[in-house]
Amino acid sequence: GAGVSQSPSNKVTEKGKDVELRCDPISGHTALYWYRQSLGQGLEFLIYFQGNSAPDKSGLPSDRFSAERTGGSVSTLTIQRTQQEDSAVYLCASSPALPVGNEQFFGPGTRLTVL
Amino acid sequence: GNSVTQMEGPVTLSEEAFLTINCTYTATGYPSLFWYVQYPGEGLQLLLKATKADDKGSNKGFEATYRKETTSFHLEKGSVQVSDSAVYFCALSETNFNKFYFGSGTKLNVKP
Repeated sequence: GAGVSQSPSNKVTEKGKDVELRCDPISGHTALYWYRQSLGQGLEFLIYFQGNSAPDKSGLPSDRFSAERTGGSVSTLTIQRTQQEDSAVYLCASSPALPVGNEQFFGPGTRLTVL
Repeated sequence: GNSVTQMEGPVTLSEEAFLTINCTYTATGYPSLFWYVQYPGEGLQLLLKATKADDKGSNKGFEATYRKETTSFHLEKGSVQVSDSAVYFCALSETNFNKFYFGSGTKLNVKP
């Protein structure tokens, strides 16, 4: 079946521009996660959705970052006024809500480069 | 709070050597534990998992045992291959929520 998809796969933007990253989770998965992976670093948790609500936004680095999820499916991560330090691979993952502790299924990521 | 600590890499081994990548965790409840692997140029994928104490997860010759008394979930393989070269991430998920915590990753290089 179809896995998690993300678009675009690569995005190059200029400093100060806004970008939108999209994630299509596996059908039926109610949990959705965004992570950031900088070069040579581990995964940095950004935000987690259960259905359309985000009970945990603690990982968003600044108020330039926001995310939404509509219809319990597609999610969009928006970065406003991008900075060079935002350059990273942004990963999306989805998981069935139950049973608790289910694995996450990762998308291929969006590589963001801010010039 | 919850956290995962894993050994820093890179780890460089010769083919057929024994592998151990240490992972310890801090959790407030009874988490599930995971090892994910990221092969060069690919996305993360689940390698193995254990959902309760004393469980052993295994896959592709890799094993890890959920040790509650030492709060550890060390990854082992008896004989590594060049194709095992990748970055390995230890992770936990909370008991009551579906939030995951990842370690910083350990890069493994296996030389022929």
